[in-house]
Amino acid sequence: AQSVTQLGSHVSVSEGALVLLRCNYSSSVPPYLFWYVQYPNQGLQLLLKYTSAATLVKGINGFEAEFKKSETSFHLTKPSAHMSDAAEYFCAVSGYVNFGNEKLTFGTGTRLTIIP
Amino acid sequence: DAMVIQNPRYQVTQFGKPVTLSCSQTLNHNVMYWYQQKSSQAPKLLFHYYDKDFNNEADTPDNFQSRRPNTSFCFLDIRSPGLGDAAMYLCATSISVRRYTDTQYFGPGTRLTVL
Repeated sequence: AQSVTQLGSHVSVSEGALVLLRCNYSSSVPPYLFWYVQYPNQGLQLLLKYTSAATLVKGINGFEAEFKKSETSFHLTKPSAHMSDAAEYFCAVSGYVNFGNEKLTFGTGTRLTIIP
Repeated sequence: DAMVIQNPRYQVTQFGKPVTLSCSQTLNHNVMYWYQQKSSQAPKLLFHYYDKDFNNEADTPDNFQSRRPNTSFCFLDIRSPGLGDAAMYLCATSISVRRYTDTQYFGPGTRLTVL
């Protein structure tokens, strides 16, 4: 079984400050990890994904995440927050459990608010 | 631009009145998914199609059905909507080469209100 825990359902940061959104996973098989962003009244958009290559993954809009197996973490960071970063962020995990059961399991999301 | 389109964006129905939500894609992806997302919750997978092969999640109520008449289109039918079915319904697609590493591409969603 696979699961994702996102610590902090709401995070507020000042414009220009560091953004850190936390994600811890649990998986019985090698995990593949994703961060998606959802803007109000829109679908989800992929920010970045880890698929067992480099542990530091760079994504769109200046975001990056580091896969740390020893900590079972995949935290999302951005050095300097912008007002346009305000959105809901979802961490997700998948992996080959068995054929036909490779679904994506999402965390409950973190709502990011940017303070002017 | 290649994309995932959902119609309508907002749907209002009455308790017990059947409703159909539509999804189309120009990505030519083999896999199409339907998710239910309630307020402040994670998207929950209802079912997916791998080409014409339908895969239902074990906990998806029988009230929810789906059809995929061709590669481009997929429909979600709710036979007798209850108040608890009010949610955002998200359609997504992916290439099926190695499904567990594939990026899923989401449509904008249909927000369903049940009166």
